Amino acid sequence: DAGVIQSPRHEVTEMGQEVTLRCKPISGHDYLFWYRQTMMRGLELLIYFNNNVPIDDSGMPEDRFSAKMPNASFSTLKIQPSEPRDSAVYFCASSWGPVRDTQYFGPGTRLTVL
Amino acid sequence: DAKTTQPTSMDCAEGRAANLPCNHSTISGNEYVYWYRQIHSQGPQYIIHGLKNNETNEMASLIITEDRKSSTLILPHATLRDTAVYYCIVRSPDNSGGSNYKLTFGKGTLLTVNP
Repeated sequence: DAGVIQSPRHEVTEMGQEVTLRCKPISGHDYLFWYRQTMMRGLELLIYFNNNVPIDDSGMPEDRFSAKMPNASFSTLKIQPSEPRDSAVYFCASSWGPVRDTQYFGPGTRLTVL
Repeated sequence: DAKTTQPTSMDCAEGRAANLPCNHSTISGNEYVYWYRQIHSQGPQYIIHGLKNNETNEMASLIITEDRKSSTLILPHATLRDTAVYYCIVRSPDNSGGSNYKLTFGKGTLLTVNP
């Protein structure tokens, strides 16, 4: 398996623009997680899905952030409008579930908002 | 949620065992201890986890004290590629009320393996 795939790997945008990050989980995994990592706050869980349904979005910082999972093989994290403080590395991870719940992380998307 | 305390950084000589401590004195009886690591510019990588008994896999060993208030991750023969931030995590139930669990990452320990 190719592992968790994220795109783009790097994104540079200007404040106010819409940003869409993409993730393809490992085939067969039922859970998908979105994390954000910054120097100040470390690695934070934003939201996670089980069988394409959002389970816990308490980590989503504000309404500018939204995440969708239209099918088992694709998820997006959208920021609209983007702000400089959104600059971070965004990771996607997937797992089978509570019993075999090792999370496999993607390589991340480094977002810079100017 | 049970919190964990880890040293900020540690050094280890290549080929020697690296012993990374973690304190989790408020851990509950049904909470697991997980270890992940993050090599620079990569996503975190699962290493090992345990509940009460010591565990070993191809990457490392996990020693959990009898009172479960602390644990030690052991890399038996550290290599330069083991230089990374190591996270000790106590898995806690999430807010959905079901059997779902989420991981809360702390600051971790930066392990530097020296030649």
